[in-house]
Amino acid sequence: EAGVAQSPRYKIIEKRQSVAFWCNPISGHATLYWYQQILGQGPKLLIQFQNNGVVDDSQLPKDRFSAERLKGVDSTLKIQPAKLEDSAVYLCASSDSGTGGDTQYFGPGTRLTVL
Amino acid sequence: LAKTTQPISMDSYEGQEVNITCSHNNIATNDYITWYQQFPSQGPRFIIQGYKTKVTNEVASLFIPADRKSSTLSLPRVSLSDTAVYYCLVGRHNTNAGKSTFGDGTTLTVKP
Repeated sequence: EAGVAQSPRYKIIEKRQSVAFWCNPISGHATLYWYQQILGQGPKLLIQFQNNGVVDDSQLPKDRFSAERLKGVDSTLKIQPAKLEDSAVYLCASSDSGTGGDTQYFGPGTRLTVL
Repeated sequence: LAKTTQPISMDSYEGQEVNITCSHNNIATNDYITWYQQFPSQGPRFIIQGYKTKVTNEVASLFIPADRKSSTLSLPRVSLSDTAVYYCLVGRHNTNAGKSTFGDGTTLTVKP
């Protein structure tokens, strides 16, 4: 079974520029998550999709961050304009809608450096 | 939203058993307990999940007391490759919009 795919793996931009990240979840997984992980901290949930609807985006800085999940499969996360404090690893995860707990499968992440 | 508390760091030696305890005093009835492992430059990886009593798989055991206000991840005979950050999450089935939050985890260092 293929895992969660993310691209690019690394990105370096200057502040005030725009950047976009792409995620392809595990086939059949209805739920998709975007996390921001700052060095030395645990992942922080930015947005959670159930199919193509938003379940939780309470911690998404909506003045500069946006995310979409077209057709309930792939997703993109955009930052416009970027700030220095956005430097972090952006993780995408997916889970299915079976019974039980929320078992998430993570991609390798995109490391963003804002100069 | 169940808050979890874990030790910031732990040290161990190869071959020892390691137990990492997580406190989750306000766990809800429908919440499950899930543990993840994260290596540098990688995303977190699922280790084990449980609801009550004891769960065991090929890599770890999870002990959950009757009141479910804490849980203990047990790693038998650790090796150097078990050096990683371990996260405890408490949450419910995602279609209930249950939310689980990662804390800062426990950094386990295994020494030779």
